[in-house]
Amino acid sequence: KAGVTQTPRYLIKTRGQQVTLSCSPISGHRSVSWYQQTPGQGLQFLFEYFSETQRNKGNFPGRFSGRQFSNSRSEMNVSTLELGDSALYLCASSLNLPYEQYFGPGTRLTVT
Amino acid sequence: DQQVKQNSPSLSVQEGRISILNCDYTNSMFDYFLWYKKYPAEGPTFLISISSIKDKNEDGRFTVFLNKSAKHLSLHIVPSQPGDSAVYFCAASQRKLGNTDKLIFGTGTRLQVFP
Repeated sequence: KAGVTQTPRYLIKTRGQQVTLSCSPISGHRSVSWYQQTPGQGLQFLFEYFSETQRNKGNFPGRFSGRQFSNSRSEMNVSTLELGDSALYLCASSLNLPYEQYFGPGTRLTVT
Repeated sequence: DQQVKQNSPSLSVQEGRISILNCDYTNSMFDYFLWYKKYPAEGPTFLISISSIKDKNEDGRFTVFLNKSAKHLSLHIVPSQPGDSAVYFCAASQRKLGNTDKLIFGTGTRLQVFP
């Protein structure tokens, strides 16, 4: 069974631009979560989607948004990029509670 | 406010010995705990989990212990192998809420196993 895939793997953007990251979950998984990883901060929860609905949201500004499609694929959008948005963005999928989450390799975003 | 803490940023252990990674949490509502391992340039990989109704869970060389009164969990790796060298994250969630799969992660401990 194919794992979680994320595209693109690497991205360089300029401050003020916007970016869209994509995540394809493991087949059959309906829950998709997004996390931001930065040095010293660990993984910070962004939001979780289940059946196209946002089920929970972390403490990030409104510039961070997401959505989930009917095939469970998910996208994350960051508008008006700031230097501090440079991070590894990880997507994880699971069947549903109480199953474990499985992570993709991440998208490394660099904002210059 | 860091609800899940891993106070040791790094740990170095000799091959064949025991590795003990520690994790503390502050939210008594957490009822499910997990450990993930992360290699560079890869996403975290699930290792082992434990529900709050248990105090120990074992899977091969990996054992997780949970001390609810101390709000502390630990991961034991015996025997340690060079391939275990990675960053280890503990995570916690409130699954009794029933409507979220939100995981709260610690900041990670970098384990190095040397020959």
